[in-house]
Amino acid sequence: GAGVSQSPRYKVAKRGQDVALRCDPISGHVSLFWYQQALGQGPEFLTYFQNEAQLDKSGLPSDRFFAERPEGSVSTLKIQRTQQEDSAVYLCASSSTGDPYNEQFFGPGTRLTVL
Amino acid sequence: TQLLEQSPQFLSIQEGENLTVYCNSSSVFSSLQWYRQEPGEGPVLLVTVVTGGEVKKLKRLTFQFGDARKDSSLHITAAQPGDTGLYLCAGAGNAGNMLTFGGGTRLMVKP
Repeated sequence: GAGVSQSPRYKVAKRGQDVALRCDPISGHVSLFWYQQALGQGPEFLTYFQNEAQLDKSGLPSDRFFAERPEGSVSTLKIQRTQQEDSAVYLCASSSTGDPYNEQFFGPGTRLTVL
Repeated sequence: TQLLEQSPQFLSIQEGENLTVYCNSSSVFSSLQWYRQEPGEGPVLLVTVVTGGEVKKLKRLTFQFGDARKDSSLHITAAQPGDTGLYLCAGAGNAGNMLTFGGGTRLMVKP
């Protein structure tokens, strides 16, 4: 498909486990964003890439969260030593340019449940 | 604490009724976007408003950006069950390239 894809769609982890969430943006899109959406809330910004450069990681809640986009396309969000408060839907979005007003296209999200 | 406050948080109405959702902030945004999100899916952009006082119409949906670019509203005329979903406002250009989302308004339209 031509949209943003994310995998896995659902992930259940035991507290303390490490998880890796993948995002495949729309081909050729320069900008890639990660957002966290808690149940019943709006998404909250985590981090932003322009190509392979991570330009903003101000939204990452702790040093247990790490994101990378080594070749400027696929991105991985890694959460180490998961905690129950990490349970949320993690949304990835991509945009064709670095213009902040350009439309962001969202993937379906990965629902993470930490037991 | 959300920088953008949406009201109401929940709204349950009958088919055919009109409704308005509000999005307010103490901060100025360069543009404001409205999204709709269905369960199990990501948000989908409905409209972007850029100019203070701007009004945009999308079929039965009317979007307005406040003169001071701090607030916005979404008005739906003659709501239909297909309008059911989570409506999110999001501001851009306040700080960095990210979107700042409101808490969302969950709308249910009963047939």
